[in-house]
Amino acid sequence: KAGVTQTPRYLIKTRGQQVTLSCSPISGHRSVSWYQQTPGQGLQFLFEYFSETQRNKGNFPGRFSGRQFSNSRSEMNVSTLELGDSALYLCASTSGGGSYEQYFGPGTRLTVT
Amino acid sequence: GEDVEQSLFLSVREGDSSVINCTYTDSSSTYLYWYKQEPGAGLQLLTYIFSNMDMKQDQRLTVLLNKKDKHLSLRIADTQTGDSAIYFCAESILGNKLTFGTGTQLKVEL
Repeated sequence: KAGVTQTPRYLIKTRGQQVTLSCSPISGHRSVSWYQQTPGQGLQFLFEYFSETQRNKGNFPGRFSGRQFSNSRSEMNVSTLELGDSALYLCASTSGGGSYEQYFGPGTRLTVT
Repeated sequence: GEDVEQSLFLSVREGDSSVINCTYTDSSSTYLYWYKQEPGAGLQLLTYIFSNMDMKQDQRLTVLLNKKDKHLSLRIADTQTGDSAIYFCAESILGNKLTFGTGTQLKVEL
């Protein structure tokens, strides 16, 4: 079974631009969560989607948004990028059927210049 | 509130056992996890334990949970150079939202 895939793997953007990151969960998994990893703040929860609905949200500004499609693939969007948004963005998938095993993708490394 | 703490660094010799410790503050935790992260990679799920368990063993890995002290540990038996990585503990309280510790860098020396 294929693992969690994330595209693109690396991205360089300029301040003020927006960016969209994509995550494809493990086949059959219905829950997708997003995390931001930075050297200063560590790993922080952004949001979780289950069956196309946001089920949980972390403490991030409204510039960070996400969505989930009917095939469980998820995207996250960051608008008006700031230098501090430079980070590794990780997504994780869970079956959602009572299992709490969360499997992570390789991440998207976003650099904002 | 949610707060998960780990020591930053651990160095062991190859073949020894490694013990990585973690403390958490929220007694409402339902599951506690251990993840491994190698340079430039995502997080690899090593093992997890339900909050009503005291111990879980999986091959070279042993997880101990002390709910009274809110203390979680991961023991790696016969540590190998391939075990060198950053290890994160994490707790879940609300469904699939994980709160991670700061990570422990494990260095295995020959």
